[in-house]
Amino acid sequence: SYVLTQPPSVSVAPGKPASVTCGGVNIGNKSVHWYQQKPGQAPVLVIYSDTDRPSGIPERFSASNSGNTATLTINRVEAGDEAAYFCQVWDGSSDHPVVFGGGTRLTVL
Amino acid sequence: EVQLVESGGGLIQPGGSLRLSCAASGFTVSSNYMNWVRQAPGKGLEWVSVIYSGTGTYYADSVKGRFTISRDNSKNTLYLQMNSLRAEDTAVYYCARGIVPPGSSSLWFDYWGQGALVTVSS
Repeated sequence: SYVLTQPPSVSVAPGKPASVTCGGVNIGNKSVHWYQQKPGQAPVLVIYSDTDRPSGIPERFSASNSGNTATLTINRVEAGDEAAYFCQVWDGSSDHPVVFGGGTRLTVL
Repeated sequence: EVQLVESGGGLIQPGGSLRLSCAASGFTVSSNYMNWVRQAPGKGLEWVSVIYSGTGTYYADSVKGRFTISRDNSKNTLYLQMNSLRAEDTAVYYCARGIVPPGSSSLWFDYWGQGALVTVSS
């Protein structure tokens, strides 16, 4: 089945931008979605269809997807952004249609 | 308002069975792609199963043959019947609504329940 690779951790100073990558073979040909999960809470959708933000998600969250890498970018990082971030794709032709990346823990220094 | 509320978790011995429920409100379960996603302690998200708005169901290899996803349209509730449980099934189990826009070849999860903890241990 399809594999998504994320770095285990990323650290960033408050006010700086943070990037979380999600690698996969020709992932640019798939639609990528991103979730934020804070400790003890359920995941929250922050980006869908590569670049779209659900209502209520700050404009500081953006994303891109091309080639073999999708990237979630958080501008002007705040302490409240500290969380785990997961990418996800759907492969409707597979018996295992939903794939998550392993997750990246974002630490705000 | 869309809400998903899981129940049925608990401590179960290896080899035992448990049924999780996910009561939905604010939308119709039968018209959506409903999923179970689990998270072992300190680990990432693992997709478990999906039931389509029709009758199709799919499972992760790790649970195939042991878990069964179903729904009761009259109760607007999703279920996960878990049999032959193993220690490695210990996790928080989330139900999540999948969105597949018309003409789209993608699915994402827009609403999640709060999770139900299943602990498999003797």
